[in-house]
Amino acid sequence: NAGVTQTPKFQVLKTGQSMTLQCAQDMNHNSMYWYRQDPGMGLRLIYYSASEGTTDKGEVPNGYNVSRLNKREFSLRLESAAPSQTSVYFCASSESDRGASGGPQHFGDGTRLSIL
Amino acid sequence: AQSVAQPEDQVNVAEGNPLTVKCTYSVSGNPYLFWYVQYPNRGLQFLLKYITGDNLVKGSYGFEAEFNKSQTSFHLKKPSALVSDSALYFCAVRDGRAGTALIFGKGTTLSVSS
Repeated sequence: NAGVTQTPKFQVLKTGQSMTLQCAQDMNHNSMYWYRQDPGMGLRLIYYSASEGTTDKGEVPNGYNVSRLNKREFSLRLESAAPSQTSVYFCASSESDRGASGGPQHFGDGTRLSIL
Repeated sequence: AQSVAQPEDQVNVAEGNPLTVKCTYSVSGNPYLFWYVQYPNRGLQFLLKYITGDNLVKGSYGFEAEFNKSQTSFHLKKPSALVSDSALYFCAVRDGRAGTALIFGKGTTLSVSS
């Protein structure tokens, strides 16, 4: 099972360049997320999509945009990359919250992005 | 606001010994708590969760976690550590403002020596 697939795995950009990180899941999950992981800071939520057609800001949305292309795909775009956006980016998906239950999130293997 | 804290950056144990990775939480309302593990150059893998019910939660790879409401803790435990358990461990809590998104602790590196 592929689970959550992220592309590319590695990328080096120059300051001011733009790029889109791709994410696709094959588990028929409604909810998808983008996090960034920085040393000593855990993971921080950038944007999330509770269901197809909706997106919302997380803790650190500045400098990013997202598109929920369909139920499977959720992309993250850096319009004008900055060195502060050097990080490892993770996409995740989960079943929608129904009542009090909390489904686990399934993560991709990440995109390691370096901005010079 | 919801938050979790992992007070130890690193935990070192010998193979075969019990291990504990600590986590404390601060939430309004019922806590939905999770543990994840991350191996080098990989994404996070779900270990276990506490939603409601028994305070001792059993998860993958022989791990378990004890929910303690009075101490607002959710410590991860394993009776006998393996070298292959060496990894980065994250405690997380549901972010009530962002659907089913999670708020993560900073992570604890577990090192198991042979």
